[in-house]
Amino acid sequence: DGGITQSPKYLFRKEGQNVTLSCEQNLNHDAMYWYRQDPGQGLRLIYYSQIVNDFQKGDIAEGYSVSREKKESFPLTVTSAQKNPTAFYLCASGFQSRKSPQHFGDGTRLSIL
Amino acid sequence: DQQVKQNSPSLSVQEGRISILNCDYTNSMFDYFLWYKKYPAEGPTFLISISSIKDKNEDGRFTVFLNKSAKHLSLHIVPSQPGDSAVYFCAASAGNTGNQFYFGTGTSLTVIP
Repeated sequence: DGGITQSPKYLFRKEGQNVTLSCEQNLNHDAMYWYRQDPGQGLRLIYYSQIVNDFQKGDIAEGYSVSREKKESFPLTVTSAQKNPTAFYLCASGFQSRKSPQHFGDGTRLSIL
Repeated sequence: DQQVKQNSPSLSVQEGRISILNCDYTNSMFDYFLWYKKYPAEGPTFLISISSIKDKNEDGRFTVFLNKSAKHLSLHIVPSQPGDSAVYFCAASAGNTGNQFYFGTGTSLTVIP
């Protein structure tokens, strides 16, 4: 069954700790995205990648880092520099054409301990 | 700065009636628009899209209307069903923003049996 898998579903971070959110897709999509959703706000783009070994910052990239070593995987690291990391994180993938819809995973909810 | 706005956080409709969800945008360069549906604890799923060369796109019970001069789009659901109860997001992209999509804040639709 094709799809996008995000793990874990829930994650807790201690102060000063880096945490990594996993995102894997088997849809053969070239492009992958990370969004953050806060209560009462839309999805805001953190980072996106059009192709392996390349990625671009979105609107709110500060305090986050990504890598794209494989087409199927696009992990997001929330670093200690991100002072307000509590949010719902969504990973998406799609074809390179911007006129094709993105497919989303079920999200990871990150909270601060 | 929110480029895509959904000014109604919630909407309640009787089963069988029409649901109309609205979305406004500010960037005149947006030329591709999408609607996503999201259930709690799940990622958004693609519903319907429209390109700016059209003013209407229909898929079963779902129709999206685009008014470019007013920078407004709407999603009509006819007839509404209880299973349509979800949060609906509109999103937009432009040729000069790469593959970046801009999302609204969402409208929570409740269809009352």
